[in-house]
Amino acid sequence: GQSLEQPSEVTAVEGAIVQINCTYQTSGFYGLSWYQQHDGGAPTFLSYNGLDGLEETGRFSSFLSRSDSYGYLLLQELQMKDSASYFCAVSPAPSGNTGKLIFGQGTTLQVKP
Amino acid sequence: EAGVTQFPSHSVIEKGQTVTLRCDPISGHDNLYWYRRVMGKEIKFLLHFVKESKQDESGMPNNRFLAERTGGTYSTLKVQPAELEDSGVYFCASSQLAGPYNEQFFGPGTRLTVL
Repeated sequence: GQSLEQPSEVTAVEGAIVQINCTYQTSGFYGLSWYQQHDGGAPTFLSYNGLDGLEETGRFSSFLSRSDSYGYLLLQELQMKDSASYFCAVSPAPSGNTGKLIFGQGTTLQVKP
Repeated sequence: EAGVTQFPSHSVIEKGQTVTLRCDPISGHDNLYWYRRVMGKEIKFLLHFVKESKQDESGMPNNRFLAERTGGTYSTLKVQPAELEDSGVYFCASSQLAGPYNEQFFGPGTRLTVL
């Protein structure tokens, strides 16, 4: 089976950098995704790592290391609007082309002034 | 372009009643997914449609849940009869292509409370 572990809560101040870790146990997967969800809203896609290494998109970066069964989301220059829940998710293999996602329990990020 | 929409946004029903949730995907998206999040736990996959066909329904909890996607457009998820443990937020998502590298667009969810 597959399981992903994330910290339940993280607190940081505006302007700081925060890293949200995701460790996983899975028999195989295609890649690691990150989604953001503001309170009561729709989860929205942030990033996808199909290969090991760092992917950067503006203030957000995501990293994957398959050998360490580990990934993280890095948020820089934190803003108040970054307060949200962040989910890591894997696309398990083999699942063909279903696009099925297995999610972690989510990390609630609170940004303080 | 309109996003994924879900109806209703909230539903409160008694145990044993029936509820039908609706999802309208982004126009042109052949792939439609249902997920559920229970009490702050992880978001769990329920099933995946490609057009009107069920591609993967491995996450459906039991036969009280019935999903349909007639005509390959909108989808419904019926729970009959509802049990207390069915409470949670039901999300629908759609994508143009299937596969792990394709972004899924989520709707805002339907919050279901079974009393």
